[in-house]
Amino acid sequence: AQSVTQPDIHITVSEGASLELRCNYSYGATPYLFWYVQSPGQGLQLLLKYFSGDTLVQGIKGFEAEFKRSQSSFNLRKPSVHWSDAAEYFCVVTKSSGDKLTFGTGTRLAVRP
Amino acid sequence: DTGVSQNPRHKITKRGQNVTFRCDPISEHNRLYWYRQTLGQGPEFLTYFQNEAQLEKSRLLSDRFSAERPKGSFSTLEIQRTEQGDSAMYLCASSLDLGSYNEQFFGPGTRLTVL
Repeated sequence: AQSVTQPDIHITVSEGASLELRCNYSYGATPYLFWYVQSPGQGLQLLLKYFSGDTLVQGIKGFEAEFKRSQSSFNLRKPSVHWSDAAEYFCVVTKSSGDKLTFGTGTRLAVRP
Repeated sequence: DTGVSQNPRHKITKRGQNVTFRCDPISEHNRLYWYRQTLGQGPEFLTYFQNEAQLEKSRLLSDRFSAERPKGSFSTLEIQRTEQGDSAMYLCASSLDLGSYNEQFFGPGTRLTVL
């Protein structure tokens, strides 16, 4: 069965600083990987996804993530954080399109003014 | 609004009562998923439908839980004899199976509090 680990429960960064959220997955084959964001009172929104091909994927709101097979990682990055990025971020894995999603425990991002 | 909708948004009930939640997926989406999210955790898969057929159920879905999607459109999730441990956010998602990747679009959730 697939699983996801997000080692950082809570991260605080200053507005304008760079951001990296860590994610490690466990799955025998190449998984489908995603990052979702959940803001208070909002539904889960897909930031970006990786299936195959280029290991650096671009998403919405200026986010990007890099798939590293050798490290079983899929870290999320943003070069300059905005106050509106404060939210909970989930790394997600699934084994095939349309299959159930397996979420990590999430990383809560706070942004200092 | 053409997104996934869920009703009610909040439900407070007493232990032992039955509750039912409704999910209306995006029009023409043939797949519908239910997830549960407890405080401080990521969502966990409960069950999903392809049209009206329930294709998979998680071990989290005890006998007290039942989900239906009678006409392949909206879905209901019923919890019988609620327990305090059922308190959580219940999320619904839908997707359109096109053969390539199917993004799951999530609704705002129904927050259940069992007293």
